[in-house]
Amino acid sequence: SAVISQKPSRDICQRGTSLTIQCQVDSQVTMMFWYRQQPGQSLTLIATANQGSEATYESGFVIDKFPISRPNLTFSTLTVSNMSPEDSSIYLCSVDPTGGEYTFGSGTRLTVV
Amino acid sequence: KQEVTQIPAALSVPEGENLVLNCSFTDSAIYNLQWFRQDPGKGLTSLLLIQSSQREQTSGRLNASLDKSSGRSTLYIAASQPGDSATYLCAVRPQHNFNKFYFGSGTKLNVKP
Repeated sequence: SAVISQKPSRDICQRGTSLTIQCQVDSQVTMMFWYRQQPGQSLTLIATANQGSEATYESGFVIDKFPISRPNLTFSTLTVSNMSPEDSSIYLCSVDPTGGEYTFGSGTRLTVV
Repeated sequence: KQEVTQIPAALSVPEGENLVLNCSFTDSAIYNLQWFRQDPGKGLTSLLLIQSSQREQTSGRLNASLDKSSGRSTLYIAASQPGDSATYLCAVRPQHNFNKFYFGSGTKLNVKP
C-alpha cells in the first residue's frame, strides 16, 4: 500500500492566520482526499483533489476557506485560512491507489488560540 | 445517504479478553468496508478491508465479518492486549459513489493490564 508523509504533525496557530498542510505520497495516485476530524468526532470529507483540475468540495466546505493545490500526482496541500478556534481539529489526507484500500497520512493536529 | 453507526462508543476490558466491536450501515449497496485503528491525536491505520463479495477477513488476532444484507460488520479481537487500546473506526464505500467514504463515530477501546 502507499506511504503518505504528512507535515506538520501538529501546530498551534493564532486566530486569523493560515496554515498549509502538506502530503507527499510515495507513488502516483489519481485522487487525494482531505478530511477533518473535530474533537471527539469522526472524519468528515473536506474535498477531493485531482491533479490538473480544481478540487471538489463537500457541502459545508468552500475553496476560500480551504484552498487545495495538487501540482502533481504525488503531492497535495491543504490550507486552512483565516483560522478561528472552531478550526481546531485533526486534518488528514488519504489516497486510494489501488481502487480498494484507503491509506491515511499520520494527521496534522491543529490548535487555534 | 449512508449512515454508519458503531456500538459501543466506548469499551473497557481486562487484558486477555476476547471482544467484539460492532458496525452497522443503512445502505447495503456497498463496494467495500474497511476497519481502521486510530491512536490519540494520530492518523488512521488500516486493519482489514472486506470487499462486498467477501464474508470475512483475518489478520493475526483480528477477524472482521461482513453481512451485507443485514448491514452489519463486526471486528473480533482475540486475547486483547493493552497495546490494542485505541479508537476503532469502520468505514463503508458505496457502490454508486466510489469516491465517497462514510465513517462511523468509532469505538474507544481501553484494555486494562
